[in-house]
Amino acid sequence: DAGVIQSPRHEVTEMGQEVTLRCKPISGHNSLFWYRQTMMRGLELLIYFNNNVPIDDSGMPEDRFSAKMPNASFSTLKIQPSEPRDSAVYFCASTAGEKLFFGSGTQLSVL
Amino acid sequence: GESVGLHLPTLSVQEGDNSIINCAYSNSASDYFIWYKQESGKGPQFIIDIRSNMDKRQGQRVTVLLNKTVKHLSLQIAATQPGDSAVYFCAESTVNQAGTALIFGKGTTLSVSS
Repeated sequence: DAGVIQSPRHEVTEMGQEVTLRCKPISGHNSLFWYRQTMMRGLELLIYFNNNVPIDDSGMPEDRFSAKMPNASFSTLKIQPSEPRDSAVYFCASTAGEKLFFGSGTQLSVL
Repeated sequence: GESVGLHLPTLSVQEGDNSIINCAYSNSASDYFIWYKQESGKGPQFIIDIRSNMDKRQGQRVTVLLNKTVKHLSLQIAATQPGDSAVYFCAESTVNQAGTALIFGKGTTLSVSS
């Protein structure tokens, strides 16, 4: 298996632009998680899905952030409009139990 | 709210020494704990996990110890190698009806010199 696949690997955008991050979980995994990592706050859970249904989005910082999982093999995290403070590494992870498998992350820079 | 934290942000050791990375957690309802290793530019990778009904679990060169009385978790790495240099995170989760989610601590940077 190729593992969790995230795209793009790097994203540089200007403040106010829409940003869409993508994730393909490991086949057969029924839970998907989005985390954000910064030096100041470490790894923060943003939202997670079970069987494509959002379970807990209390970690989503603002209404500018939204996440979808239209099917078992694809999820998106969208930021609209983006702001410089959104600059971070965004990780997607999936699991069929409790042990999470992480993707390589998307490094987002908002100028 | 509940949180997971680490005692030390950095740890420097010599190659061949044993390393101990500590973690304190505050949610007494947590019943599953896990350690991850993150190398520069990569996502966190699973090292070892332990359930609350155990106090020790061993893997290859790694041991996790759980002390529920003081809510303390530690990761021991035997014969530390330069390739062990990374940031180490502990995480906790609680099983409930909605599901489970791992909550991570801030991380400890391990530097191994040869």
